[in-house]
Amino acid sequence: GAVVSQHPSWVICKSGTSVKIECRSLDFQATTMFWYRQFPKQSLMLMATSNEGSKATYEQGVEKDKFLINHASLTLSTLTVTSAHPEDSSFYICSATRLVPYQETQYFGPGTRLLVL
Amino acid sequence: SQQGEEDPQALSIQEGENATMNCSYKTSINNLQWYRQNSGRGLVHLILIRSNEREKHSGRLRVTLDTSKKSSSLLITASRAADTASYFCATDPRGANSKLTFGKGITLSVRP
Repeated sequence: GAVVSQHPSWVICKSGTSVKIECRSLDFQATTMFWYRQFPKQSLMLMATSNEGSKATYEQGVEKDKFLINHASLTLSTLTVTSAHPEDSSFYICSATRLVPYQETQYFGPGTRLLVL
Repeated sequence: SQQGEEDPQALSIQEGENATMNCSYKTSINNLQWYRQNSGRGLVHLILIRSNEREKHSGRLRVTLDTSKKSSSLLITASRAADTASYFCATDPRGANSKLTFGKGITLSVRP
């Protein structure tokens, strides 16, 4: 199978601090990873597409200086929520696509729940 | 923006019954995928159907796709309490590393 992990699974922080969330593909190389956020009882909204070794592509309305994405290797992408505020509280989910062997499926991490006080 | 629109938004059935969920979308697609999400957890991929396919089966799951109507349905047969979850359809416009657009989701409750 293809396993994607996220760390931490949940985090509580004070307003104004920065939080880093890691997304790892454990048993495959992922040239592309996606970051989503999900509010309670709502759907997933794509925030950005992260490609290894290049700058992330952000969706309209997503502040790139607020949500810093780094895709340093073929198995790791990080999302840093800078100067977090209560409205950033959400469920953040990453996914990764596997090209070898070729598969169109996105494999999702278990998510990270962020609560900003 | 969300492309997929599932209906119903919530469905409650008795264990053993079949559950049918529908998804409509607006633009052309390469494939359409269905995912399950248990409360507070990540998404689990259920099944993918390509634009040139009309029906696909996987275990107790049956998916249909009608590109002329831009709609898809997911049928879960002989439902179990463990099928209780939220179900999302997601459209893929190009295939291979392209962005998925998720629908709003359907909350399925299967009563034991």
